[in-house]
Amino acid sequence: DAGITQSPRYKITETGRQVTLMCHQTWSHSYMFWYRQDLGHGLRLIYYSAAADITDKGEVPDGYVVSRSKTENFPLTLESATRSQTSVYFCASSEGGGGQPQHFGDGTRLSIL
Amino acid sequence: GENVEQHPSTLSVQEGDSAVIKCTYSDSASNYFPWYKQELGKRPQLIIDIRSNVGEKKDQRIAVTLNKTAKHFSLHITETQPEDSAVYFCAASRNTGNQFYFGTGTSLTVIP
Repeated sequence: DAGITQSPRYKITETGRQVTLMCHQTWSHSYMFWYRQDLGHGLRLIYYSAAADITDKGEVPDGYVVSRSKTENFPLTLESATRSQTSVYFCASSEGGGGQPQHFGDGTRLSIL
Repeated sequence: GENVEQHPSTLSVQEGDSAVIKCTYSDSASNYFPWYKQELGKRPQLIIDIRSNVGEKKDQRIAVTLNKTAKHFSLHITETQPEDSAVYFCAASRNTGNQFYFGTGTSLTVIP
């Protein structure tokens, strides 16, 4: 759906560098989520946000930082990238929390050398 | 917390046959169960969902059944076509909760 966009689509960086993945949604959904997808692990939740200025940890938050100053944006920052963070990252949004469908962006394929 | 297990991890069927993917969950308070389809290199997309107040839901060739007592739910695809080949994820959540708990996915291959 065009309502949620991620940038960049592809990123290559080096260990130790900071990198920020962007996520923008136009639906005014209150909830936003960040997942990483690795072979054999499915979709693992990194962080989520229930509203602007409210964020909470998911299953695998270590090494990541998020912020949500505006409802429509939910950037994910890797402060000092490590090779284990090489993955495909998906952003998603939903109108509510657990009881509402989540809508995913196209993903960012991140490679850390 | 919730734990969702999904089986099988891979499934191959002949075109025209049916495919069934099963998920079990641990939290008896879970009451919303979506299914996502992810084609290679694409985003996960919602294909069907079911809430705990119904036992079955159907949308053309796909259906989902829910057994609350046994805490499992299943995706059924009939008359499979090559374009059904994808990875399918189940999830469970509470209406009052904040997040989904995903299964680890099933890679379905439909052989022409």
